[in-house]
Amino acid sequence: AQSVTQLGSHVSVSEGALVLLRCNYSSSVPPYLFWYVQYPNQGLQLLLKYTSAATLVKGINGFEAEFKKSETSFHLTKPSAHMSDAAEYFCAVSEIQGAQKLVFGQGTRLTINP
Amino acid sequence: DTGVSQNPRHKITKRGQNVTFRCDPISEHNRLYWYRQTLGQGPEFLTYFQNEAQLEKSRLLSDRFSAERPKGSFSTLEIQRTEQGDSAMYLCASSFPRGGMNTEAFFGQGTRLTVV
Repeated sequence: AQSVTQLGSHVSVSEGALVLLRCNYSSSVPPYLFWYVQYPNQGLQLLLKYTSAATLVKGINGFEAEFKKSETSFHLTKPSAHMSDAAEYFCAVSEIQGAQKLVFGQGTRLTINP
Repeated sequence: DTGVSQNPRHKITKRGQNVTFRCDPISEHNRLYWYRQTLGQGPEFLTYFQNEAQLEKSRLLSDRFSAERPKGSFSTLEIQRTEQGDSAMYLCASSFPRGGMNTEAFFGQGTRLTVV
């Protein structure tokens, strides 16, 4: 069975600082990996996805993530944090190709300090 | 089209009552998914449909949970004899896979259920 572990339930950074949110996955097949963002009382919005093309994936709002098979990781980064980045971030792996049957991590709450 | 629509946004019900939630997917999307999200956790997959066919329902939490998509358009999720542990956000998502590839799923804003 596939699983996702997000290291750090809370991350706090200063505005303008580097954002690094960690995600490790477990999968017996080549994974499809995703990062979603959730604002309070809202649904989830896709930031970026890895589908076995380029290992460095660029997403919306300046975020990017790098797939590292040897480390089974898919960490999310952004060079310079904005106040508007404060939200909950979820890493997810898809169990089967062609369907969004996703297994999510527990989430990381990102706080931006002014 | 304004995206995936879920109704109601909030539902408060007494324990033991039945509740039904509705999801209207993006119009051309043939796949529809239901997830449950409890406080402080990531969403948990429940079930999904391709058109009107329910392709997996083994993850539905108990036989009190059921979902339908009778005409391959909107879907309903029903919880019978609600319990306090059913309190959660119920999320719906839809997608349109192309060539078997994992295209993006679009999520609705969810229905927050509170069982008192």
